[in-house]
Amino acid sequence: DVKVTQSSRYLVKRTGEKVFLECVQDMDHENMFWYRQDPGLGLRLIYFSYDVKMKEKGDIPEGYSVSREKKERFSLILESASTNQTSMYLCASRQGGRTYYGYTFGSGTRLTVV
Amino acid sequence: EDKVVQSPLSLVVHEGDTVTLNCSYEVTNFRSLLWYKQEKKAPTFLFMLTSSGIEKKSGRLSSILDKKELFSILNITATQTGDSAIYLCAVSGGTSYGKLTFGQGTILTVHP
Repeated sequence: DVKVTQSSRYLVKRTGEKVFLECVQDMDHENMFWYRQDPGLGLRLIYFSYDVKMKEKGDIPEGYSVSREKKERFSLILESASTNQTSMYLCASRQGGRTYYGYTFGSGTRLTVV
Repeated sequence: EDKVVQSPLSLVVHEGDTVTLNCSYEVTNFRSLLWYKQEKKAPTFLFMLTSSGIEKKSGRLSSILDKKELFSILNITATQTGDSAIYLCAVSGGTSYGKLTFGQGTILTVHP
């Protein structure tokens, strides 16, 4: 069964900490995405990567960075966590070139910044 | 800026009722519209729509797209408590990478 795995289901961090959210997919997909999900706002795109070592800003990249050193792994980095980054973070992947199709999602990481 | 709007934002019904969820969009380079169901964890895929007027159906769920009026509806007949979830509408468009733009989601609660 194909999978997108996010390393943590729940995470609690302190304000100012550097936070790493990890995502690994086993489907050999080129495209990977990070979204955050907030009530009433839906899913908003933070960053995406269309191939290894490539990255593009999404709609809300401020306060975040990403790393894609290997095809299967896409990391989201909160450089200095703030309380307004408390949210559900969803990672997703899709085969390259299949722009009509949807994503396969991970189960999400619920991050609380205190 | 690409935009997807869902309505209603929340809905409470009783088992056996029929519900209609709405999704309107403004997206450059439209490719497809997708519906997802999200329970406690990862969103799961329901439908992908690319052509106007062709109904997609899966059991009690069905969906249709109107590319002229830029909207889609998701119908659920004879609702069950297991249908309680967030229903997400997303549209693929924009650059050649076809990123998905999501609506706010509709929270459906089905009471016994």
